[in-house]
Order: sequence, then C-alpha cells, then structure tokens
Amino acid sequence: EVQVVESGGGLVKPGGSLRLSCAASGFTFSDYSMNWVRQAPGKGLEWVSLISGSGGYVYYAGSMKGRFTVSRDNARNSLFLQMTSLRAEDTAVYYCARLVGGYASDYWGQGTLVTVSS
Amino acid sequence: QSALTQPPSASGSPGQSVTISCTGTSSDVGGYKYVSWYQHHPGKAPKLMIYEVNKRPSGVPDRFSGSKSGNTASLTVSELQAEDEANYYCSSYAGSNNLEFGGGTKLTVL
Repeated sequence: EVQVVESGGGLVKPGGSLRLSCAASGFTFSDYSMNWVRQAPGKGLEWVSLISGSGGYVYYAGSMKGRFTVSRDNARNSLFLQMTSLRAEDTAVYYCARLVGGYASDYWGQGTLVTVSS
Repeated sequence: QSALTQPPSASGSPGQSVTISCTGTSSDVGGYKYVSWYQHHPGKAPKLMIYEVNKRPSGVPDRFSGSKSGNTASLTVSELQAEDEANYYCSSYAGSNNLEFGGGTKLTVL
C-alpha cells in the first residue's frame, strides 16, 4: 500500500527555521518525483516545491525561492523541506505528495501543521 | 489570490449533476493538457479525481468527468451523492516546472 507520512511541523518564531520530513512506503521511491503543497488556514492549496526522482532537479514557487530547500534521501525513502526565514504567512498545513504523469499528485499525506508566530 | 479562478461554491441535490469551472490563461490551463482535480475533505488527505484534463485514476467513479475548452477546465460530478460534498481544487501545469492551484470550490449536496 502506498503511503506518505509527513512530520516535523510545529510552532516557530518569525525568522526561524524548521525541517519537515516525509516518509514514503509501498512504492519505489526513487522512481517518482515528489512535491510539497501547503494550505494556509481558511485558504486553498498552494504548490511549494517539486523534486525529481534522482533529486537532481528542484523547483520552487516564487515566494519560496531562496528560503525553502527541498531534498530527498532515496536510500531512506524520505523527502525533506528545509524552511528558513519563516514568516507568519508561511503558517499552513504542509503536504507531501507523489507526482505522476501530467504533473498530478496521486498520493498525499495527512499533512503537518507549521505555525509561525511570536 | 490563486492563479486559477474557481467559483467559491457550488451545490446540487442528490442525483443531479454539477459542473465546477477553473479558469486560467493560455500560459497554464490553455497551454497544456495537464489539468488535475482534487477532492478534499477537511482534515483529510486530498484525493486525485482527474488528471490530464479528463483521465480518471483507478477507483474514481465514472460519475466524475473532466474537460477543457480554451483557458477554462471543468469538473462535472453526475448523480450527486452525499459523500461528494467536499472542497474541490483544480491544478494546472504552468510551464518551467511550475504548478498552480485554484482557490477551491466548496460543493454542497443539498
């Protein structure tokens, strides 16, 4: 059974950093690109970042460039999102999801909540 | 403000059909056959309902269908059922490995 499970969320002060993790199972992790998507309270979904199966290609939404870094460890079937210089507007539930054809995400985790507040 | 425009709400009675629109530009929806639709019940993981404009993943009922005309994509839910009540989001590839989402539509089954 395909599963992705996020962890690492929590309360962080503005300007602080946080590292999110996503543990994948039930599929050959290195065969798939993965992405991060977030949802701020009361708002819609927002794409954050994408990483290729090998980890050699990474892409970010404009507002995240320079502050967020996506990476993966294929040996450990894990995806990461390092977030720095966090702002109140980064408060959201962060989801990791497996990317398939047509840039669609077919398996999502339950998300991990990041709250940026003093 | 989301890049793709969806109506904030839609509704229908059980057994009826409802269509949700997703309007973008020629740089996203109109330019690629990479439109997806997701069903999201609050507190749960989003679920892929349609990909590549009109393809259904295994296990998604054929009551769900997708289409596109110009810069507007649509999701139609036929034979509405109570469990269809959820938030629906469209997504489109926007070139240069960027993805965009719509603001979401809350579907209410009356």
